[in-house]
Amino acid sequence: GAVVSQHPSWVICKSGTSVKIECRSLDFQATTMFWYRQFPKQSLMLMATSNEGSKATYEQGVEKDKFLINHASLTLSTLTVTSAHPEDSSFYICSARAVAGGDTGELFFGEGSRLTVL
Amino acid sequence: GQNIDQPTEMTATEGAIVQINCTYQTSGFNGLFWYQQHAGEAPTFLSYNVLDGLEEKGRFSSFLSRSKGYSYLLLKELQMKDSASYLCAVMDSNYQLIWGAGTKLIIKP
Repeated sequence: GAVVSQHPSWVICKSGTSVKIECRSLDFQATTMFWYRQFPKQSLMLMATSNEGSKATYEQGVEKDKFLINHASLTLSTLTVTSAHPEDSSFYICSARAVAGGDTGELFFGEGSRLTVL
Repeated sequence: GQNIDQPTEMTATEGAIVQINCTYQTSGFNGLFWYQQHAGEAPTFLSYNVLDGLEEKGRFSSFLSRSKGYSYLLLKELQMKDSASYLCAVMDSNYQLIWGAGTKLIIKP
């Protein structure tokens, strides 16, 4: 089946620094990628939807300037948490949707990235 | 290795009850999630189990047995809108989410 790789799996950073998380579709082209955040024992919360070559669409309450999303190619999307603070510590997960033509609407999920901000 | 197994597809009748099973083998366990996903949409959270037993939430219930590495999602009084894929996911000891491939549920009138 389709594989989505997310990197890094774990990241620990100091408050005020920026962290970049990559999401790659390894064996298919993804027109759309979704970024989620999940706090312990809570549901996945959709942060934003990114389409290749265009600006991401952010969910209400998600700061665009803080969570920068770039989807420059059909196989790569990045989420940059700028000026991270301890409250940004969370589990971030991406999912990717295959291109139209073979698009069944199925989403493939990355393994997730755990961010801890000290 | 780590794996999550759930049936690929199930068919049920409107108004009936269906049980979707999920078995898992993971490095540690920090909870099991069920998500519903309609085609082309992001998944929506249904349930979270970390202790053994049955969690009931309206028409949906989820059961967990950690000793057996087993969970099921029970859907009652099925409605046509319940036609979707149902994803089982386990959070392992490293807090990585291990996802099942999903069960496509088809509801017939």
